[in-house]
Amino acid sequence: QVQLLQSGAEVRKPGASVKLSCKPSGYTFSNFYIHWVRQAPGQGLEWMGIINPSGGSTSYAQKFRGRLTMTTDTSTTTVYMELSSLTSEDMAVYYCARGQPPPAGFSNNYFDPWGQGTLVTVSS
Amino acid sequence: SYELTQPPSVSVSPGQTASITCSGDNLGNKYVYWYQQKPGQSPVLVIYLDSKRPSGIPERFSGSNSGNTATLTISGTQAIDEADYYCQTWDSSTALFGGGTKLTVL
Repeated sequence: QVQLLQSGAEVRKPGASVKLSCKPSGYTFSNFYIHWVRQAPGQGLEWMGIINPSGGSTSYAQKFRGRLTMTTDTSTTTVYMELSSLTSEDMAVYYCARGQPPPAGFSNNYFDPWGQGTLVTVSS
Repeated sequence: SYELTQPPSVSVSPGQTASITCSGDNLGNKYVYWYQQKPGQSPVLVIYLDSKRPSGIPERFSGSNSGNTATLTISGTQAIDEADYYCQTWDSSTALFGGGTKLTVL
């Protein structure tokens, strides 16, 4: 079955960067978009961006532009999400989720399934 | 900026019908998706493209979307349906989520 396996919990100091990984399995890696969504403690869901594993094109939520980078490694079929200039407000569980096959438009993209999530703690 | 509004909480008795609303300007002109999240777990898609049910999701889950309101309906609600529910749509190439609704089955 389709699964997305995410890397383990991370602890960073304010101002640092964090790079998380997401390794899908159970389908052809390049055939589906991957999204990143985060959830601060006790809060709701916040979409961060989308990447097309075939070619690596990305689109980021405006809030994160300039400090968010999504990449793929087709040799290891892994997607990465790097967030820089961390503050306490970035402390959250970060999820990757599979989207729809390109060239599905944004409005037709939904998140299914989700990875297990990675907790990022930002503390001095 | 576009916003989705959900009630913070909804309560329902076992076996009854639960309705969770999601409101947004002309939301009926957009596709709406619904996710269920139980404590300590990742979200799970329960409705896509307004009213379609993914395989493995019980038939008691249904969705509708018209005007300014989308609704997730759970018929014959069971204790296992107790969870947070989030609606989601897209606006200006950005995915937006509602604030979430805590469904209590009591």
